[in-house]
Amino acid sequence: QKEVEQNSGPLSVPEGAIASLNCTYSDRGSQSFFWYRQYSGKSPELIMSIYSNGDKEDGRFTAQLNKASQYVSLLIRDSQPSDSATYLCAVNMNRDDKIIFGKGTRLHILP
Amino acid sequence: EAGVAQSPRYKIIEKRQSVAFWCNPISGHATLYWYQQILGQGPKLLIQFQNNGVVDDSQLPKDRFSAERLKGVDSTLKIQPAKLEDSAVYLCASSLGARINTDTQYFGPGTRLTVL
Repeated sequence: QKEVEQNSGPLSVPEGAIASLNCTYSDRGSQSFFWYRQYSGKSPELIMSIYSNGDKEDGRFTAQLNKASQYVSLLIRDSQPSDSATYLCAVNMNRDDKIIFGKGTRLHILP
Repeated sequence: EAGVAQSPRYKIIEKRQSVAFWCNPISGHATLYWYQQILGQGPKLLIQFQNNGVVDDSQLPKDRFSAERLKGVDSTLKIQPAKLEDSAVYLCASSLGARINTDTQYFGPGTRLTVL
């Protein structure tokens, strides 16, 4: 099993709809989870971090964490064309205190 | 506040040549990271500095890659000799502290390396 897994996409979502991005991880003891957005040809930018089970909301973004099932997700409400980007899930692995990035999911918002 | 600066932005070299990348972190940031991002992959940490000391270089191919951070500010990453599989974007990031869990990493624009 890969350490951090994401569906590479592309995920196409109509403008105004909810985009749902998922990520699973292998290290059960991991405690910190991050979502980065990366526009084509640009560098990653942190948009959300989450540490506790449940939901964390920030504007149109909601991160959801379920440690028992070892998955973390990102919901984007009222999707906009400007949300079209690759979303990288990153996990701070408990075993060696290292951040591992997934391959990213390409999101395309259809106008 | 100025962001993380990197140069050059693009570099094309032939295999077996040498190349060096430069990074200037955000002022006051103690921790500096170098990542390698191959097309279609997430960033992979190569080396982490805390001030001018190495915290983690476990994924740095030390037979060909080297990095230094003199005086705890700027950093250079060198590849000698380069291989085709080194073609990637090399990202530098910095954070205020060294707590990976809570100290936000800010990424520079990256250097896109093409090895022919």
